[in-house]
Amino acid sequence: ETGVTQSPTHLIKTRGQQVTLRCSSQSGHNTVSWYQQALGQGPQFIFQYYREEENGRGNFPPRFSGLQFPNYSSELNVNALELDDSALYLCASSLGPGAGELFFGEGSRLTVL
Amino acid sequence: AQRVTQPEKLLSVFKGAPVELKCNYSYSGSPELFWYVQYSRQRLQLLLRHISRESIKGFTADLNKGETSFHLKKPFAQEEDSAMYYCALRVSGANNLFFGTGTRLTVIP
Repeated sequence: ETGVTQSPTHLIKTRGQQVTLRCSSQSGHNTVSWYQQALGQGPQFIFQYYREEENGRGNFPPRFSGLQFPNYSSELNVNALELDDSALYLCASSLGPGAGELFFGEGSRLTVL
Repeated sequence: AQRVTQPEKLLSVFKGAPVELKCNYSYSGSPELFWYVQYSRQRLQLLLRHISRESIKGFTADLNKGETSFHLKKPFAQEEDSAMYYCALRVSGANNLFFGTGTRLTVIP
């Protein structure tokens, strides 16, 4: 059974740039959620994708957007990067939208300069 | 608004001593509570959830609605329990979890 994989693991961008982060869900999981974890904080919900549509969103501006593909993999896109976007971005897959057990990837650490 | 509070950022106990990691939440409805754990160089993973009412790796947690708490307990700490622990809340009808800021537990040999 393949776990959740994320890429890239680390990246550095400058203010105003755009970034795309990728996530492959665990085998058999049809739901992907994205979380942002700032230093010293717990993960904060960005949004969830189920059946290739956004299925819930946290308190993040529209410049945070995403996609889910037919194979359940997902992308997180962030436009017009700001310094405060520097964080660890975690992808988590689950067996369904309401599943309490999330299976996390190792994260993509984004640094915005 | 929903909120999860873990008052201790750091907690150190000696091996064999009891350990309690505190978690308080604010939510007026019926919550689902979880404990997630991240061991060194591993990914975040579910430790236990209150609806299961089970003991995992010797840890238990009881939901106390009167005190709005979900403290994680273990009678005898082991060195392998050293990790980052996050308490998380899911509200009725929601698909996401609200996480606390985490407690780093260190078990001293």
